[in-house]
Amino acid sequence: NAGVTQTPKFRVLKTGQSMTLLCAQDMNHEYMYWYRQDPGMGLRLIHYSVGEGTTAKGEVPDGYNVSRLKKQNFLLGLESAAPSQTSVYFCASSYSTTVQYFGAGTRLSVL
Amino acid sequence: QQPVQSPQAVILREGEDAVINCSSSKALYSVHWYRQKHGEAPVFLMILLKGGEQKGHEKISASFNEKKQQSSLYLTASQLSYSGTYFCGTEQGGSEKLVFGKGTKLTVNP
Repeated sequence: NAGVTQTPKFRVLKTGQSMTLLCAQDMNHEYMYWYRQDPGMGLRLIHYSVGEGTTAKGEVPDGYNVSRLKKQNFLLGLESAAPSQTSVYFCASSYSTTVQYFGAGTRLSVL
Repeated sequence: QQPVQSPQAVILREGEDAVINCSSSKALYSVHWYRQKHGEAPVFLMILLKGGEQKGHEKISASFNEKKQQSSLYLTASQLSYSGTYFCGTEQGGSEKLVFGKGTKLTVNP
């Protein structure tokens, strides 16, 4: 029973490079979320999805894009990485606005 | 708008009690509490719906005062395993998402 799986776990990018973070859940959840966590800032919502084919902006969406082509997957893309995007990224899923189950996180450094 | 948590940090000795507060300037439908241990993902503790209901989870309980838009998390007879950062997440009616506070770091020493 995997729950929420994030790949990769660690990544180092150079400024301007692009990458995609993958989140996969096996709980048949409708809702999926991408957060970033920076020291002293808590969890800030980047983008979220309430079902396959839907996406919506959160609190800090600039510089990120997302896609939810399949119900179980939620992809977060950085088209041109900046040092300000150095952070720990968490994906979460839930049935609705109930318990959110988090993945283990992705540590991203942008040099 | 991000809810405000207080205190930002608290240090306890094993067996002592603590209260963590979460307040919002917006009308809330529910408040969620999560705990995150260092280097790990946040883990769900409990949800409180508007109605002032108090919920319990072992020696951890919480209340929600919808008139004041405040929730409090009570940790009694703290154990070493309670150490971590506690986050409240607030949901406004009709919203599809939570807004999390900045967290309260709890350290329990022997």
